[in-house]
Amino acid sequence: DAGVIQSPRHEVTEMGQEVTLRCKPISGHDYLFWYRQTMMRGLELLIYFNNNVPIDDSGMPEDRFSAKMPNASFSTLKIQPSEPRDSAVYFCASSARDRGSYEQYFGPGTRLTVT
Amino acid sequence: GENVEQHPSTLSVQEGDSAVIKCTYSDSASNYFPWYKQELGKRPQLIIDIRSNVGEKKDQRIAVTLNKTAKHFSLHITETQPEDSAVYFCAVRRTGGGADGLTFGKGTHLIIQP
Repeated sequence: DAGVIQSPRHEVTEMGQEVTLRCKPISGHDYLFWYRQTMMRGLELLIYFNNNVPIDDSGMPEDRFSAKMPNASFSTLKIQPSEPRDSAVYFCASSARDRGSYEQYFGPGTRLTVT
Repeated sequence: GENVEQHPSTLSVQEGDSAVIKCTYSDSASNYFPWYKQELGKRPQLIIDIRSNVGEKKDQRIAVTLNKTAKHFSLHITETQPEDSAVYFCAVRRTGGGADGLTFGKGTHLIIQP
């Protein structure tokens, strides 16, 4: 398996622009997680899905952030409008809970820079 | 919500010596405690994990111990090697309804001195 795939790997945008990050989980995994990593706040859970349904979005910083999972193999995280404080590395992770494992497999991340 | 404290933030050890990183958590119902290693510019990768029904787990040079009463768990790396240099994160699986995400500690930068 190719592992969790994220695109783009790097994104530079101007304040006020819309940003869309993409994730393809490992095939067969029923959980998908979005995390954000910054020096100041570390790794934070933003939202997660189970069987394509959002379960907990309490970590989403504000209404500018939204996430969708239209099918088992694709998820998006959108920021509109983007702000400089959104600059971070955004990781997607997936896990196969139906196999009795809690292990989360991380994608390579998207490094977002908002100027 | 869950609070995870990790210490130290930086740890420098001589190659061949042991390293110990400690974490405490707040929710006594937490049941899964993984450790991730992250090299510069790379993704976090699981190196070892433990569940709440086990007190200790070992995998070659790496071990994790869990004290549920005190709500703390530790990562032990023996015979450290240069490739062990990285940032290590502890994490705790949340509990309760809809609680499958991980809460991470702030990380420990482990430096192996040659």
